[in-house]
Amino acid sequence: AQSVTQLDSQVPVFEEAPVELRCNYSSSVSVYLFWYVQYPNQGLQLLLKYLSGSTLVKGINGFEAEFNKSQTSFHLRKPSVHISDTAEYFCAVLRAGGFKTIFGAGTRLFVKA
Amino acid sequence: DTEVTQTPKHLVMGMTNKKSLKCEQHMGHRAMYWYKQKAKKPPELMFVYSYEKLSINESVPSRFSPECPNSSLLNLHLHALQPEDSALYLCASSQVGIPTGRDNEQFFGPGTRLTVL
Repeated sequence: AQSVTQLDSQVPVFEEAPVELRCNYSSSVSVYLFWYVQYPNQGLQLLLKYLSGSTLVKGINGFEAEFNKSQTSFHLRKPSVHISDTAEYFCAVLRAGGFKTIFGAGTRLFVKA
Repeated sequence: DTEVTQTPKHLVMGMTNKKSLKCEQHMGHRAMYWYKQKAKKPPELMFVYSYEKLSINESVPSRFSPECPNSSLLNLHLHALQPEDSALYLCASSQVGIPTGRDNEQFFGPGTRLTVL
């Protein structure tokens, strides 16, 4: 079975500072990895995904993530955050050939002026 | 068309009402999913339809009744819900059905926010 651990439930950061949201996963088989953002009272928006190939994945809104197979991590980074990045961020894993996307508990990013 | 659409965006219903949520995709995907997301929690899988047949039911109460009339449309019929069923209901689709191949990335719709009074 797969599992996802988001190591921080909340991350407060000042505007224009860099941020890293941490995600570790557990799986004995090949997986796809995703980061989603959810703004208050809205649905999920895909930020980026790792399916195969280059381990550094670039997404929307200036976010990027690096797949590290040896450390089973998929941390999300942004070099300079904006107030508008305040949202809930979910890391998710889907077994290649599976049917259930498993989500982490979420990390609340709070950007302060 | 590369998106999953869901209607309505918001729904308020009483415990004795019968209502339905609708999900549509025109990407030719052969698997469709319902997820439920309670407030401040991650989404959790409810049902999977593959090639228009129910393949997975994650022990969901019978007051939730899914239906897949055709390969593009997925409904979730609601009856005698409880206030604790209030949540965001997300629909998703993926290219291949079950058993899946590697092209099983799921594409999510915007969700229907359900409030049960």
